[in-house]
This record gives sequence, structure tokens and C-alpha cells, in this order.
Amino acid sequence: GQSLEQPSEVTAVEGAIVQINCTYQTSGFYGLSWYQQHDGGAPTFLSYNALDGLEETGRFSSFLSRSDSYGYLLLQELQMKDSASYFCAVDSNYQLIWGAGTKLIIKP
Amino acid sequence: DTAVSQTPKYLVTQMGNDKSIKCEQNLGHDTMYWYKQDSKKFLKIMFSYNNKELIINETVPNRFSPKSPDKAHLNLHINSLELGDSAVYFCASSQEGRLKETQYFGPGTRLLVL
Repeated sequence: GQSLEQPSEVTAVEGAIVQINCTYQTSGFYGLSWYQQHDGGAPTFLSYNALDGLEETGRFSSFLSRSDSYGYLLLQELQMKDSASYFCAVDSNYQLIWGAGTKLIIKP
Repeated sequence: DTAVSQTPKYLVTQMGNDKSIKCEQNLGHDTMYWYKQDSKKFLKIMFSYNNKELIINETVPNRFSPKSPDKAHLNLHINSLELGDSAVYFCASSQEGRLKETQYFGPGTRLLVL
């Protein structure tokens, strides 16, 4: 079967750095995306990786290793507004497969 | 202007009823989607649709059917509603049906079946 795994919850302190991991098992792979969803809101796009390496966009970075079927989202200089759920999603042979989401809790 | 809009925002109904949720996008995208997010926040894709093909998640009961009157609209019809259908339903759109294209989500429709 096809699956994505990510931690259900991660806790960090304001101003710190946190990494949210995503491992996948899919029959094909075209790319991995990250979305952010605040409570009561809709998912919003953060990043997309198709090739190995690190993509940086401001305080957020996303990494992909295709050989390890693994990616992560790195959030730096955490702010309280970053408290949200983060979803990884894989594009696999015309199927879009979503992880169960990681709830990021930020403490002052 | 709202990029992807859905109506209604809230929907409370009785078991056994038939209901529809409407979705419209003004982004000129070719592909639209319906997602279901349950109380545990699992986000499950139900359908993806462009003017060429409909891709159905095989786990979706056939009580659910998408209807697209034109490229900018993808409505979701649900027949014989069940308690387990209670969830938040998101419509989304992208230029193409691949993740490399950003998906833009609507605000969601909160469905409660009593």
C-alpha cells in the first residue's frame, strides 16, 4: 500500500527551530509538498520539492531525499502564529497522497 | 476577490437527506478537487476533476458524486447522508493535477449530520 508518516504532534519554544519529518512509501514519486493549516482554517501551500536538497523560503525550509523516501519541513525563529497543523503530501502516479498532519504546539 | 469559494459554510441536516455543496474558483485553473477532513484532521482526497477526466478515490462511497457544470465550478452531491459523513469538506483547485502546482483551498464546509 501507499502511505505517508509524520509525527502527530511536536512541541517547541518560541524563537527556537523545529523539524517536522515525513517518510513515504509510494509506488511512484513526482514530488513532495507541505501545507499549513491553522485551526478552523483551510490548508495553505508552503513548499514543493521534486529534487533532492533544501529549498528555503524565509523562515521555512523544506528538504527532500528521494533515495531515503524522506523529507522534512524546518521552521526557524518560531513565532506563536506558527502554531498550526502541517501536512506533507506526495504526488504519486496521478494520485495525491496526504499525511495525517503534525500539530505544532509552540510555548512562550 | 476570493479565489476559491464554497457554499454553504455550515450545513446541519438529518440522516437520510440529500445535500449539495457548491464550489467556485476564479483562478482559471483546470483542475478541481474535493477533500474530506474528519474530526481527527485526516485530510482525504475524494475526487480530482478536470475537463478531461474524473479521478475518484475508490474508498469514497457512490453516495458522493461531483458535478461540474463548467470549468470554474465543481459541486458535491451527497445522497442518503449518514452520521459518518459529518466532517469538513474542502474544495481546492490547481492549474494542473500535479502537486507541483499549488493547490488553493476554499474555506471549507462544516457538515453535521444528526
